[in-house]
Amino acid sequence: GAGVSQSPRYKVAKRGQDVALRCDPISGHVSLFWYQQALGQGPEFLTYFQNEAQLDKSGLPSDRFFAERPEGSVSTLKIQRTQQEDSAVYLCASSLANLEQFFGPGTRLTVL
Amino acid sequence: KQEVTQIPAALSVPEGENLVLNCSFTDSAIYNLQWFRQDPGKGLTSLLLIQSSQREQTSGRLNASLDKSSGRSTLYIAASQPGDSATYLCAVPDNFNKFYFGSGTKLNVKP
Repeated sequence: GAGVSQSPRYKVAKRGQDVALRCDPISGHVSLFWYQQALGQGPEFLTYFQNEAQLDKSGLPSDRFFAERPEGSVSTLKIQRTQQEDSAVYLCASSLANLEQFFGPGTRLTVL
Repeated sequence: KQEVTQIPAALSVPEGENLVLNCSFTDSAIYNLQWFRQDPGKGLTSLLLIQSSQREQTSGRLNASLDKSSGRSTLYIAASQPGDSATYLCAVPDNFNKFYFGSGTKLNVKP
């Protein structure tokens, strides 16, 4: 595709529900990043993939957060037993090696 | 850990003014610095990327400068327009290209 796409764009979950957020990076981009952006703040790093390998997951807030990229293209960020503090915009970005990152539109998650 | 700070947090100016947004970072050993624009409810749009070897980069009415030794970058917007209203973020990557972002400057350009 022409850019990074994310789905769904908006997700409302009841506290305790599991959610799955999808990212489709630009074709051929080996690097994929997930960021979490709270209201009024800059994005914060969650995790990083190079192809299918998850090289850094130091930013994941708790073991309720899990990310995968099994075939080195599409990635899924899963949040189990969602809590209100998980409400944020989740951004995905992709890049060729260490070059410019391109961001998707984000998924806005609201946990009630 | 890299810390990125942006000043001011918010800025409201009349149309036509030239303005400067500031970004500072604590670790000067950077590869590049990137400025982004974010519209409400939207993702990030890359505006300018300055490599560590560069002093400035220009695109249209935008000019970004980089002073690595002092840990500072500025984004200069000439002849501001209402369509420039958005949040502007600066970001610095580590050696794995993981970005550290500032909290942004929310710009409002009044017609």
